[in-house]
Amino acid sequence: NAGVTQTPKFQVLKTGQSMTLQCAQDMNHNSMYWYRQDPGMGLRLIYYSASEGTTDKGEVPNGYNVSRLNKREFSLRLESAAPSQTSVYFCASSEAYLAGGRDEQFFGPGTRLTVL
Amino acid sequence: QKEVEQNSGPLSVPEGAIASLNCTYSDRGSQSFFWYRQYSGKSPELIMFIYSNGDKEDGRFTAQLNKASQYVSLLIRDSQPSDSATYLCAVNIGGYQKVTFGIGTKLQVIP
Repeated sequence: NAGVTQTPKFQVLKTGQSMTLQCAQDMNHNSMYWYRQDPGMGLRLIYYSASEGTTDKGEVPNGYNVSRLNKREFSLRLESAAPSQTSVYFCASSEAYLAGGRDEQFFGPGTRLTVL
Repeated sequence: QKEVEQNSGPLSVPEGAIASLNCTYSDRGSQSFFWYRQYSGKSPELIMFIYSNGDKEDGRFTAQLNKASQYVSLLIRDSQPSDSATYLCAVNIGGYQKVTFGIGTKLQVIP
């Protein structure tokens, strides 16, 4: 099992360029998440998908769009990159038990994005 | 007030000592509490989960939860240099499937 995979691992963009970050999981998990991690800010949720066919905004959704392509794949798109989007992006997945249960999130290796 | 608060550290402890990391949260309805460990340049991994008041032990790790005071802590006994990492507290806010992470506490274990 590969777990959660992300592509690319590194990316440099110029302001205004667009790109899509890809994420896939092979654990048959229902829920998937996109986070960004910045120094001093911790992990902040951008978007999540509680189940196939649904997506919801997280704490910092502005400037991003997502697609839950199928149960395995959840992509994050930057339509017009800005320097403020320079960050490390993590995708995660979880089986999503009912609230109060152990809902461990499994993280991908991350994408290090720099926007010049 | 942030929903999940942690001291960013660094917290320095000598090898063999007990490291104590603390986390407070704002939502009284929170039901699930997690501790993730993140090594530098790596992704977070779950090390402890707790949902009932009291202590939960797993090897050298003990998670403590006090819902009345809205805090959760992580104790690491016999700290090792390999425990040097950032420890992220995560709280399941309001019954939703998503969790909110604290900024993490950087732990340094000095040989």
